[in-house]
Amino acid sequence: NAGVMQNPRHLVRRRGQEARLRCSPVKGHSHVYWYRQLPEEGLKFMVYLQKENIIDESGMPKERFSAEFPKEGPSILRIQQVVRGDSAAYFCASSPSQAGNQPQHFGDGTRLSIL
Amino acid sequence: AQSVTQLDSQVPVFEEAPVELRCNYSSSVSVYLFWYVQYPNQGLQLLLKYLSGSTLVKGINGFEAEFNKSQTSFHLRKPSVHISDTAEYFCAVSEIQGFQKLVFGTGTRLLVSP
Repeated sequence: NAGVMQNPRHLVRRRGQEARLRCSPVKGHSHVYWYRQLPEEGLKFMVYLQKENIIDESGMPKERFSAEFPKEGPSILRIQQVVRGDSAAYFCASSPSQAGNQPQHFGDGTRLSIL
Repeated sequence: AQSVTQLDSQVPVFEEAPVELRCNYSSSVSVYLFWYVQYPNQGLQLLLKYLSGSTLVKGINGFEAEFNKSQTSFHLRKPSVHISDTAEYFCAVSEIQGFQKLVFGTGTRLLVSP
């Protein structure tokens, strides 16, 4: 399967813990996007990264959330000191370029539950 | 900024009946338009996209959509649905200029019954 791989598929954390979500893009894709889907809502853009660079993080909450896409390895979305409101499905997508006509390929998501 | 409105949160339909899922958008700049499908506990799969050219776009699984610039709409249609089409459908737009930051509607749940 050469698609976008996200892990874990399900993650349970207690309030105050840290959550780390991983995303391996399609082989050869160097552009990664993270989206959040709250219950009964559509996906909302969080952040756009290229290798080693954050290009646009206008959708990221100002505190506790961070993202990286290192030269080697998967992209990581990190949520510190999680709260109940962080419960959501987090999707990663990748594309071969930033051009708007290049469709994004989505992973199956990580469903984060906060106890 | 862009916004996408999917007026119908849920559309029930019988198998083999036609269906139309509505999508309207608002944008001050030119956009590309997309329809994605999400099956339970899975990610989004691209159904079709409108980039330019013919306003009638054909996608996978027998779906098609028509871009109407004057009405800023991009409705999705299928002439005869199957049980397996039961899923959540999302309309999305992205600016032509700049990177592809998708703006999604809230989704329409298509429920196909026998």
